[in-house]
Amino acid sequence: EVQLVEFGGGLVQPGGSLRLSCAASGFTFSNYWMIWVRQAPGKGPEWVAYIRQDGSETHYVDSVRGRFTISRDNPRYSLSLQMNNLRAEDTALYFCATVIAVGAFHIWGQGTMVTVSS
Amino acid sequence: QSALTQPPSASGSPGQSVTISCTGTSSDVGGHNYVAWYQKHPGKAPKLLIYEVTKRPSGVPDRFSGSKSGNTASLTVSGLQAEDEADYFCNSYAGTNNYVIFGGGTKLTVL
Repeated sequence: EVQLVEFGGGLVQPGGSLRLSCAASGFTFSNYWMIWVRQAPGKGPEWVAYIRQDGSETHYVDSVRGRFTISRDNPRYSLSLQMNNLRAEDTALYFCATVIAVGAFHIWGQGTMVTVSS
Repeated sequence: QSALTQPPSASGSPGQSVTISCTGTSSDVGGHNYVAWYQKHPGKAPKLLIYEVTKRPSGVPDRFSGSKSGNTASLTVSGLQAEDEADYFCNSYAGTNNYVIFGGGTKLTVL
């Protein structure tokens, strides 16, 4: 079965860190750019970071650049998002997804919730 | 970059057609043919319905179709079925720096 499963979310205090992971199965993970997308409660989605197939190129939305790091382990079919210096505005449901074309995110996970609060 | 504008809600009866709009600017929707549409049921993963304005991934019924005119893209759901009741959101490429921006989502109700 083709699927992505995110995990690692939780409640963290402002300034804290969290590492999200995304486990892929059922398709050739190394063939795809991958992206993290988040959706804050009551808001539309927002892209967070994306990474090239071999990990050699990464991009970040301005609001997380310098605080978040996207990485991947192709042999382990795994995508990660290291989130440091978390802020209240980072509170959201975080999804990983495959990129099949410009702005086209095909396979998604169900998301993992990150709550930043004291 | 502001979010794309979608109506908060839409509705239709079984068998009818419904069209959901997604309005942006000449910097995103109007400037590129990279608009995508997604369906999301509560607690489920989003599903890609349309990409590059009109293309459907394998397995997506042809009841779902996309179009674009100027700065507004549209998703049409024909032959409404009960299982089409879900949230629908769009996104568009917005240039190298902004990459993509999303709409706020539209809740489709099948009456």
